[in-house]
Amino acid sequence: DAGITQSPRHKVTETGTPVTLRCHQTENHRYMYWYRQDPGHGLRLIHYSYGVKDTDKGEVSDGYSVSRSKTEDFLLTLESATSSQTSVYFCATKRGTGVQETQYFGPGTRLLVL
Amino acid sequence: QKEVEQNSGPLSVPEGAIASLNCTYSDRGSQSFFWYRQYSGKSPELIMSIYSNGDKEDGRFTAQLNKASQYVSLLIRDSQPSDSATYLCAVIVNSGYALNFGKGTSLLVTP
Repeated sequence: DAGITQSPRHKVTETGTPVTLRCHQTENHRYMYWYRQDPGHGLRLIHYSYGVKDTDKGEVSDGYSVSRSKTEDFLLTLESATSSQTSVYFCATKRGTGVQETQYFGPGTRLLVL
Repeated sequence: QKEVEQNSGPLSVPEGAIASLNCTYSDRGSQSFFWYRQYSGKSPELIMSIYSNGDKEDGRFTAQLNKASQYVSLLIRDSQPSDSATYLCAVIVNSGYALNFGKGTSLLVTP
C-alpha cells in the first residue's frame, strides 16, 4: 500500500457544501499528488505538491484547492461541491528520481455529490 | 494535453495464453513509462516500469518500449483468471510532474 492512507474512504455530500479529503503518507516522500478518476476520462491530475507549502495546479484544478502544512499530509478541498465533482479521488506519492521515478497510489476516496 | 492512447477492449484471452496490451503516446520527450493494473473498485497498482528501448521482463510480465515508434506494450504470459483487470498505461514527460494516463484496456482471462 506504499504507506498511503486516505480519509474518508467514502463520502456523500450535498451540492454547495465544502468537503476536505485527506491523504497521509508515512514514508517522508517529498512529492504528493491528487488525481480523480472518471469513466471515459481515466486518471487526471488535480493538484500536486513538491514540498511543504509548495503546490501547483494540474489539468483539472478548477473548483479545488490544496494545502500541505506537513510532509506527511496533503489535503484536497472542494470549496463548494458540485455534482460534476462526483468521482473517485486518488492520492499518490513519488519514489525515486529522474527517469527511474515511480508513483504509488493510495486506496482512494469515493465521493458522491447529490 | 499530450495523448496516451489505449484500446479500451475488452481483450479476452483463454487461460494460459499470452495477453498483449498496447499503448501509444504523442510526446516524443516522454522519459518514463509505466503499466498499472487496476481491479474493479481498487486503486492502480504498479506492475512494470520501463525507461530504455527494448524489453524488460519481470516474472510473467514483459514490457516493451520503442521510442522511435512511440509505442509501449505489455505482454502477460501464461495468463490467469486473476489477471482479469483494467491495465493502465502511463507516461511521465517531466520528472516530478504528473503521470499522463491512458484510459485503460480491460482484460478478461477466461478459464
